[in-house]
Amino acid sequence: ETGVTQTPRHLVMGMTNKKSLKCEQHLGHNAMYWYKQSAKKPLELMFVYNFKEQTENNSVPSRFSPECPNSSHLFLHLHTLQPEDSALYLCASSHKVDRPETQYFGPGTRLLVL
Amino acid sequence: QKEVEQDPGPLSVPEGAIVSLNCTYSNSAFQYFMWYRQYSRKGPELLMYTYSSGNKEDGRFTAQVDKSSKYISLFIRDSQPSDSATYLCAMTSQGAGGTSYGKLTFGQGTILTVHP
Repeated sequence: ETGVTQTPRHLVMGMTNKKSLKCEQHLGHNAMYWYKQSAKKPLELMFVYNFKEQTENNSVPSRFSPECPNSSHLFLHLHTLQPEDSALYLCASSHKVDRPETQYFGPGTRLLVL
Repeated sequence: QKEVEQDPGPLSVPEGAIVSLNCTYSNSAFQYFMWYRQYSRKGPELLMYTYSSGNKEDGRFTAQVDKSSKYISLFIRDSQPSDSATYLCAMTSQGAGGTSYGKLTFGQGTILTVHP
């Protein structure tokens, strides 16, 4: 595997379910990001991790809980989501957090909340 | 007012045409400017990035930045059907050597279709 991978690629969940999204980067980067991409809206930055430490939480509701156990892996734990949370969730990585202009994105997880 | 404005299109052009994609922005602190290409059901792919004002060319693609007008452009020469995708502009006020928190601000994206 090369680049940034995300699993699952598609997810359907009910509002009472708990699920997790996984991201793995094989680029030797130290910064990782979660973004939300909704139809007809710009990409929204959710969280930033730098060397496993969270450096940015962009006012994301607590029903989204990130976890970064090491510089190569990033998780997004989901619980009691709302239908408006349906979107494409993108993971990205960059060499360092002060090089955001060189972010590489994964293919995304398309989430549908029923 | 949005920090970054990008015409969502859709834009449809014949093969071989020159395509011009544009973004305007309001934050004069932005220094790094990126263009991403996103195919359907894929993540964004970094095409080009430039620092400050000026032009940058890479094959059929040319990126231009005019900081005085707060306006950036991406030109695609000899467009091909394989160029059909959504093009996202992005920018940040932070970069190498700065105190950055990884924040990119994106435009809405322009949907481009190049038909044979």
